[in-house]
Amino acid sequence: DVKVTQSSRYLVKRTGEKVFLECVQDMDHENMFWYRQDPGLGLRLIYFSYDVKMKEKGDIPEGYSVSREKKERFSLILESASTNQTSMYLCASSPVRDYSYEQYFGPGTRLTVT
Amino acid sequence: GQSLEQPSEVTAVEGAIVQINCTYQTSGFYGLSWYQQHDGGAPTFLSYNALDGLEETGRFSSFLSRSDSYGYLLLQELQMKDSASYFCAVISGGYQKVTFGIGTKLQVIP
Repeated sequence: DVKVTQSSRYLVKRTGEKVFLECVQDMDHENMFWYRQDPGLGLRLIYFSYDVKMKEKGDIPEGYSVSREKKERFSLILESASTNQTSMYLCASSPVRDYSYEQYFGPGTRLTVT
Repeated sequence: GQSLEQPSEVTAVEGAIVQINCTYQTSGFYGLSWYQQHDGGAPTFLSYNALDGLEETGRFSSFLSRSDSYGYLLLQELQMKDSASYFCAVISGGYQKVTFGIGTKLQVIP
């Protein structure tokens, strides 16, 4: 079974703090993704990576950065957390050679910025 | 850019059939996927359509019309456990970018 794990289920941070969200997948997938999910807005893509050290901006990259130093790990960084970044953050991975483009999601991290 | 439209909420009776529609606008279209998400859970993959027509997987079927930029998810013999949010998602561009709709919250009632 594919397993995608995220470092925390719940996280509370203060405004201005630097926040790291970690995601690890164990199935040697090339693609990894970070989304945020907010009520009424669905899942919105922040960044994705199709290979180690490669990254592409998604639809809402402002205020975020990412790092992918190893194939299995994809980190989302909030350089200076703000209250409007309070959200559920979901990580996903997918293999390149998959006809269905199926994405496998982690359990999510609910981040609260106070 | 990409945009998708799907109803925000649908209510249906246990044992009945429900259809959740999705229309999209995108360039470099590869295909349309559907995901299910229960409250507090992670989204899980249901189906993928790259070609026109109907794909059936048990009680769930998914349809795509590329010329109409339209697809739907059909759930038959509804069960209470089908109460969840259902997201359509388009795959487009050279990097398999996946863009999700806002999701349809399905409530199954007895």
